[in-house]
Amino acid sequence: QKEVEQNSGPLSVPEGAIASLNCTYSDRGSQSFFWYRQYSGKSPELIMFIYSNGDKEDGRFTAQLNKASQYVSLLIRDSQPSDSATYLCAVNPPGNTGKLIFGQGTTLQVKP
Amino acid sequence: KAGVTQTPRYLIKTRGQQVTLSCSPISGHRSVSWYQQTPGQGLQFLFEYFSETQRNKGNFPGRFSGRQFSNSRSEMNVSTLELGDSALYLCASSLRGQEAFFGQGTRLTVV
Repeated sequence: QKEVEQNSGPLSVPEGAIASLNCTYSDRGSQSFFWYRQYSGKSPELIMFIYSNGDKEDGRFTAQLNKASQYVSLLIRDSQPSDSATYLCAVNPPGNTGKLIFGQGTTLQVKP
Repeated sequence: KAGVTQTPRYLIKTRGQQVTLSCSPISGHRSVSWYQQTPGQGLQFLFEYFSETQRNKGNFPGRFSGRQFSNSRSEMNVSTLELGDSALYLCASSLRGQEAFFGQGTRLTVV
């Protein structure tokens, strides 16, 4: 079992729709969770982080964390073509400050 | 506020050579971590330094090493390069090891 799993996609949504990206992790003791966006040929950009169960909203982005189910998700409201990118879920394993374990990423395509 | 700066941006090396990559973190950030990104393996953690000490190490061979200086700048060295070392090498900085911000990366090609 991979430590951090994501559906590779592509996930295709029409412009203006809600895109839902999902991630599961294996280490139940993990406390910190991050979402990065990576455009083709560019480096990852941190867009959200969440440490507590529940929802965290920032503009059009909402991160959701359910530690009991070991599940993190990212919702993008009013999706725009400029949101088309690979979204990487990252988890900080317990007792390993400074180390992130990444999923393989989900490719999102937003069609005009 | 300046971001994370990595140099050089591109490198071409021959098998068997060694290479040193440099990373300057965001001002005030004391944690620097290094990652290797390849199409097949994705983003993999190499190591992390905090206040000149290696705090964490990933599952890479000893040919991969790093260090951090007193000004928090970090270098990564790969000795005896292999074709499989061709990758994008990314450096990330953070205040204490939580939210990490990536540099533009160094694209290494081994021929």
